Amino acid sequence: AQKVTQAQTEISVVEKEDVTLDCVYETRDTTYYLFWYKQPPSGELVFLIRRNSFDEQNEISGRYSWNFQKSTSSFNFTITASQVVDSAVYFCALSYRETSGSRLTFGEGTQLTVNP
Amino acid sequence: DAGITQSPRHKVTETGTPVTLRCHQTENHRYMYWYRQDPGHGLRLIHYSYGVKDTDKGEVSDGYSVSRSKTEDFLLTLESATSSQTSVYFCAISQSWALNTEAFFGQGTRLTVV
Repeated sequence: AQKVTQAQTEISVVEKEDVTLDCVYETRDTTYYLFWYKQPPSGELVFLIRRNSFDEQNEISGRYSWNFQKSTSSFNFTITASQVVDSAVYFCALSYRETSGSRLTFGEGTQLTVNP
Repeated sequence: DAGITQSPRHKVTETGTPVTLRCHQTENHRYMYWYRQDPGHGLRLIHYSYGVKDTDKGEVSDGYSVSRSKTEDFLLTLESATSSQTSVYFCAISQSWALNTEAFFGQGTRLTVV
């Protein structure tokens, strides 16, 4: 079974703090992709990053960085020097193969609030 | 931004009435999905389509049906709405079935069943 767990329901930080959002996944597949999406207060989901199961290199994009560790089945997301505009719900998702195509299974989401 | 339009954006309906939500895309993507978002559950797949008239069930399909008569339109129908179907519904599209293909989401429809 495919499963994604985001144990942190809500996180609240003060602006400029660093914050890490945890994501743990379960799959028996050897080939899969992991994604992070952001859902700002306006409601739409915005794609942030994807990582394939064979690439464990960390990725950095500006203030965002992602740490993928297959040994612990985790794909954590860190925001450095957080800003108020980072306030959103963040979803981790796992892409897996089904007969008629690929499917995404999402974690429960983490509500991040960055206070000024 | 991906051209995805959901309608209506908000709806209040009574228990037992039928409801249809529409997703319209201008991207000519083959794959379309309906998700529902509920607190504590993230997004869960209701139904998806892998082509015109080709649909399949997701993990929470009971009480829902879908239709896709044209590439650009994917309809979600609640045959007889129940209060447990109060939720935010998202349509998504993707270009291919490859594992690495990201999905693009509409802005959501907030449905309240009273």
